[in-house]
Amino acid sequence: KNQVEQSPQSLIILEGKNCTLQCNYTVSPFSNLRWYKQDTGRGPVSLTIMTFSENTKSNGRYTATLDADTKQSSLHITASQLSDSASYICVVSAVVGGGNKLTFGTGTQLKVEL
Amino acid sequence: ETGVTQTPRHLVMGMTNKKSLKCEQHLGHNAMYWYKQSAKKPLELMFVYNFKEQTENNSVPSRFSPECPNSSHLFLHLHTLQPEDSALYLCASSPREGKKETQYFGPGTRLLVL
Repeated sequence: KNQVEQSPQSLIILEGKNCTLQCNYTVSPFSNLRWYKQDTGRGPVSLTIMTFSENTKSNGRYTATLDADTKQSSLHITASQLSDSASYICVVSAVVGGGNKLTFGTGTQLKVEL
Repeated sequence: ETGVTQTPRHLVMGMTNKKSLKCEQHLGHNAMYWYKQSAKKPLELMFVYNFKEQTENNSVPSRFSPECPNSSHLFLHLHTLQPEDSALYLCASSPREGKKETQYFGPGTRLLVL
C-alpha cells in the first residue's frame, strides 16, 4: 500500500533557528516528490518538486533533499521567520496505469515563535 | 494569490440542505481537482476533470456531485450530507493532468454539516 509518513507531527522553534522536516514513503513506482506549504485557512502552495535523479532542490530558505534508495526526503528551513508557521505537506507521485496518482502525507505543523 | 478562487469560504448546512461549492481558475489550466481535507488526515482526492471530462472519481459517495461546465469552472453540488462530511474542501488546477504537473490550490471552503 502506498503511504507517506511525515515527522514530526508538530514542531515549535524560535525565530531565526533552522529546522528539518522528514518524509518517508513507500510509494511505488516513484515518479516525483513535492513539498507543499499550507498556511492556516489557505490552500497548499508548491515549494519544491524532485524527480528520481534529483537529490536536492532549493527555493529560497527552503532546501529539500531526496534519497530515492532509502525512500526518504527532508525539508530544511534556514533562518526561520514567523511567516514560516504553517503545515508542510509531503506529496509523492506514482505512475499507475499510465496515469498519475498522488499520495499525501498528513503534514508537519510548524510554529515559529519570537 | 494562486489564481484559483473558491466560494464560499465558509459554509454551514443541515443534513437536508442542498448547496454548491464553486471553484474558478484564472490560469488557463485544463485540469481541475476536488480534494477533501479532514483534521489530522492526508488530503483525499475526490474528483479529477481533464479538458472538462471527468477522469477520476475516487469512490466518492453520490451525495457529492461534481460539475465542470468549462475548463475554468468547477462545482461541487452537495445534498443530504452527513456530519462526517465536515471538512475543508480544496479545489486545485494544473495545466493538464499529468505526473509532472504542479497543482495550484484555492483557499478552500470550510464546510460544517450539522
